[in-house]
This record gives sequence, C-alpha cells and structure tokens, in this order.
Amino acid sequence: GAVVSQHPSWVICKSGTSVKIECRSLDFQATTMFWYRQFPKQSLMLMATSNEGSKATYEQGVEKDKFLINHASLTLSTLTVTSAHPEDSSFYICSARDVWGGDEKLFFGSGTQLSVL
Amino acid sequence: DQQVKQNSPSLSVQEGRISILNCDYTNSMFDYFLWYKKYPAEGPTFLISISSIKDKNEDGRFTVFLNKSAKHLSLHIVPSQPGDSAVYFCAAKRFITTSGTYKYIFGTGTRLKVLA
Repeated sequence: GAVVSQHPSWVICKSGTSVKIECRSLDFQATTMFWYRQFPKQSLMLMATSNEGSKATYEQGVEKDKFLINHASLTLSTLTVTSAHPEDSSFYICSARDVWGGDEKLFFGSGTQLSVL
Repeated sequence: DQQVKQNSPSLSVQEGRISILNCDYTNSMFDYFLWYKKYPAEGPTFLISISSIKDKNEDGRFTVFLNKSAKHLSLHIVPSQPGDSAVYFCAAKRFITTSGTYKYIFGTGTRLKVLA
C-alpha cells in the first residue's frame, strides 16, 4: 500500500520555540493532505486541510498563525507549530489522500509526539 | 457536534469469534466511509472502505456493511485474532463545496480486545 512518511517521530522543545513537522507521500502524489491532532484517549481532530499550491483550509478554532501549513509540492506538506507552549503538547498526525481506479484511501503518517516544556 | 459516533468505547471478544464494531453518522452528505486500526503513538492503518453507493464490501477477514437509511455502518472481523486488539476508528468523507476540498471526520474510536 501507499506510504506516508512523517518526521520527526517525537520532539521535545522549550516553550517559545518553533517546531516543524514534515509529511511526505512516498509513492503517490497527494494534492490534498490533512493534519490531525490527537489528545490521549480521544479521537483524531482535524486541524486543517493542506492543498498543494494554495492556502490551507483551517478548521474552526485552529489558529492559522500558530499552526503554519505549507504544501509546496505534490509529495510534501509541513506543519510548523510557532511559539510553542505546553498546551500545544499533543500527538500530531498527517494524512494524504490517494485516489486510484475510483477507489480512495486516506493514508496516515506514523505521527509526531510533541512535548513542550 | 460529533457527526460520526462510535458509541461503544470498548469491546472484548474471544479469539475465533466475530467482532462487530459499530459507527453512526448524522450527516447525509457523507459519501465515503473508511475503517482504521490504531495502536498507541502510531498513525492509523487503513483497513477497509465503502462508497455510499454500496451496502457491503469485503476484504479477507474484514467486511464493512453500510445502512444508509439508518446512517449506520459496521465492521465485522471474522475470525478475530489477538493481533486485532487495537483501537478502531471509523471515518466519513464529504466534499465541502465552499472550499472545494474534502473533509474526513473520525469517530471517537472503539478499543477492541481479543482474548486468547
């Protein structure tokens, strides 16, 4: 199946610093990628939809200036958490949409555990 | 507003028996549904999907049933194996006309435990 690579797997940073998370589709082109956030024992919460070559679409309540998304190519989307604070600590997961032969799937990266001290 | 719901937070099944995981949705605009398996601190793994024009899709031990009139779908795993123990999420997709994008909404998950 298709592979989505997400890096880093985990990151610890100081409060006030910025962290960049990369999401790559390795064997297919993804015009649309999604960024989710998951708190312990909760569901995946959609943060934003990343569209190649255009601005991301953010969900209600998600700060655009805090969570910067760039989808510069058909295989790469990045999420930058700017001026991170402890409340930003969470598990962030990216996904990429693949459509093949009328069938579609959403493939996920392995996730990034962010801990802000 | 939780548009996709999995009302059973957990389920225990004996090895070899059938596991049935349920999912309900409220928005009739959803046109595609997917099931994922997830382990802690990992990304979800795709299992099986179904288009809204179908009522059943089967792949090996996994079968998904869709009842559009009831806005309900279920995942059947037969026979259940200890390795199936994980959290299972259903997801529903719809097209957002205002932004021209797709949105996938996930349920709250059901933790399946298959007992050896």
